Amino acid sequence: LAKTTQPISMDSYEGQEVNITCSHNNIATNDYITWYQQFPSQGPRFIIQGYKTKVTNEVASLFIPADRKSSTLSLPRVSLSDTAVYYCLVGSYTGGGNKLTFGTGTQLKVEL
Amino acid sequence: DSGVTQTPKHLITATGQRVTLRCSPRSGDLSVYWYQQSLDQGLQFLIQYYNGEERAKGNILERFSAQQFPDLHSELNLSSLELGDSALYFCASSVGTSGGDNEQFFGPGTRLTVL
Repeated sequence: LAKTTQPISMDSYEGQEVNITCSHNNIATNDYITWYQQFPSQGPRFIIQGYKTKVTNEVASLFIPADRKSSTLSLPRVSLSDTAVYYCLVGSYTGGGNKLTFGTGTQLKVEL
Repeated sequence: DSGVTQTPKHLITATGQRVTLRCSPRSGDLSVYWYQQSLDQGLQFLIQYYNGEERAKGNILERFSAQQFPDLHSELNLSSLELGDSALYFCASSVGTSGGDNEQFFGPGTRLTVL
């Protein structure tokens, strides 16, 4: 199973770009990388997913280098409402079933 | 609102007891996943069912079991409860089999407190 690690916390100010990195040295060939956002007392919510290179949607970008041993979630122009915990998930489905490993989570705090 | 429902929202019980947590997936989703979230272990994948059949096991204890019924709702049974089982239990659902490359939709969770 991929072991995934993230910084425990990050601080930012409104309007800045925030980059959160997830390290997954043991990522398998079939594994995808997904990022989730979680607010207190709520379930995680999907942000973005990718396999390699760069993926962008309306809320974030995901950068994955060629060796895929890490990934970076980029949040452009954060606001107070982006204060939350962000998790990376590395996983895939093989013949033996799903292998799903969540990262340790990064608490992002956005201030005025 | 993710479309995934979980009951009950809170559960307080004593050590040695047995409880059942219930989850209804989003309409159309065939996969149900169960996760445990605690302060010291983070989010841990427990088990997955797809269209009524067990598809994958994660870090699920032998005291825990789950099933998915024909209407696709799922139940997680926790028995011989210990203090360390106190945690948030989340259910998630997805359309396909793979939790890695399918978007998972999480329910609001059940907070279990074992006294």
